[in-house]
Amino acid sequence: EAGVAQSPRYKIIEKRQSVAFWCNPISGHATLYWYQQILGQGPKLLIQFQNNGVVDDSQLPKDRFSAERLKGVDSTLKIQPAKLEDSAVYLCASSPDRGREKLFFGSGTQLSVL
Amino acid sequence: DAKTTQPTSMDCAEGRAANLPCNHSTISGNEYVYWYRQIHSQGPQYIIHGLKNNETNEMASLIITEDRKSSTLILPHATLRDTAVYYCIVRLIYGGSQGNLIFGKGTKLSVKP
Repeated sequence: EAGVAQSPRYKIIEKRQSVAFWCNPISGHATLYWYQQILGQGPKLLIQFQNNGVVDDSQLPKDRFSAERLKGVDSTLKIQPAKLEDSAVYLCASSPDRGREKLFFGSGTQLSVL
Repeated sequence: DAKTTQPTSMDCAEGRAANLPCNHSTISGNEYVYWYRQIHSQGPQYIIHGLKNNETNEMASLIITEDRKSSTLILPHATLRDTAVYYCIVRLIYGGSQGNLIFGKGTKLSVKP
């Protein structure tokens, strides 16, 4: 089966610019997650969707980050405006049930903010 | 914050068993122990999980102590492709956001020829 697809693979922007990342989860997976991974650290959850509703966005910096999952399938994560500390890998994951099954991760988008 | 403690790094000879320890002394009765690994430039990959019984699958074995305060992931015959960061995570399977994975820094396993 196809895995979690993410694009772009790499992105370089200047601070104060905006950027968007796209994720296509595994077909039929109801739950979608966005994680941020700063170099040398483990991934940190930003937001969790169940179908097209938000389950947890407590760690999302809402003054600059936004995410949506229209129609309960694809998702986009946006940063506007970007800061230097946003440089990280942004990982998308999906799971077929809200908590029972293992998470499947994409390869991520590596963002560099200059 | 992560509820587990792991060594920062470990080495293993190719073909030998790799034993990765994890301490989770504050684990509660309804929390499972999960292991994921992350190969360079890839997203994390699920390995195995368990509650209190030992578990084995095609990738690894998980040994959980009787008091559940620690566990060991065993890769029986490590290969160079097993070089990765290994994360030990305690997690509720049920419970919405309470079931989210909270990653620590993991153990960097280097398999050497």
